[in-house]
Amino acid sequence: IQLTQSPSFLSASVGDRVTITCRASQGISSYLAWYQQKPGKAPKLLIYATSTLQNGVPSRFSGSGSGTEFTLTISSLQPEDFATYYCQQLNSYPITFGQGTRLEIK
Amino acid sequence: QLVESGGGLVQPGGSLRLSCAASGFTFSSYAIHWVRQVPGKGLEYVSAISSNGGSTYYADSVTGRFTISRDNSKNTLYLQMGSLRAEDTAVYYCARVPPGDCWGQGTLVTVSS
Repeated sequence: IQLTQSPSFLSASVGDRVTITCRASQGISSYLAWYQQKPGKAPKLLIYATSTLQNGVPSRFSGSGSGTEFTLTISSLQPEDFATYYCQQLNSYPITFGQGTRLEIK
Repeated sequence: QLVESGGGLVQPGGSLRLSCAASGFTFSSYAIHWVRQVPGKGLEYVSAISSNGGSTYYADSVTGRFTISRDNSKNTLYLQMGSLRAEDTAVYYCARVPPGDCWGQGTLVTVSS
């Protein structure tokens, strides 16, 4: 199952609302997770099962979707949110990741 | 917590064994994955093993060359890597997936002559 994220690069300002899309090449039910990764660090789980917020993750992060199209939304960007974001499908093996969306400060 | 070890420099065609030591949770209750990342590039799933070790999964790129295993009595996961290629150079992470909430810090494997 291929996952395609869009956009691959996003330039935004603090306070902006941003949305990242992840499209699957076939249906994956709700088995989708989102991660945030900063340089030199391991990925951090933000959302699992499409829309369930991981403990400790700020509520400005939200996820939605089903089937083949999913979105990650950050309602009001904070300085610490500038990072790379990945989606991951866990519907079937081999597990796959999207190619990543790099979010940078405008 | 997950802590990887065993990375380093190895020549093409060589072998290496990575370990991932778990603590702070019931290791035997979780499937564990290996995920790798070429510096500056995206995440790539490598292999996974079920909680009891009875089922294993591999990416096409490593099938036949890598073997995943675990010792639940030692709370440790392994990745035996053989016939290594330059394109296997990456940081290797172990991760508790699902749900994906616990990752190691990564260990760098460099395949070069």
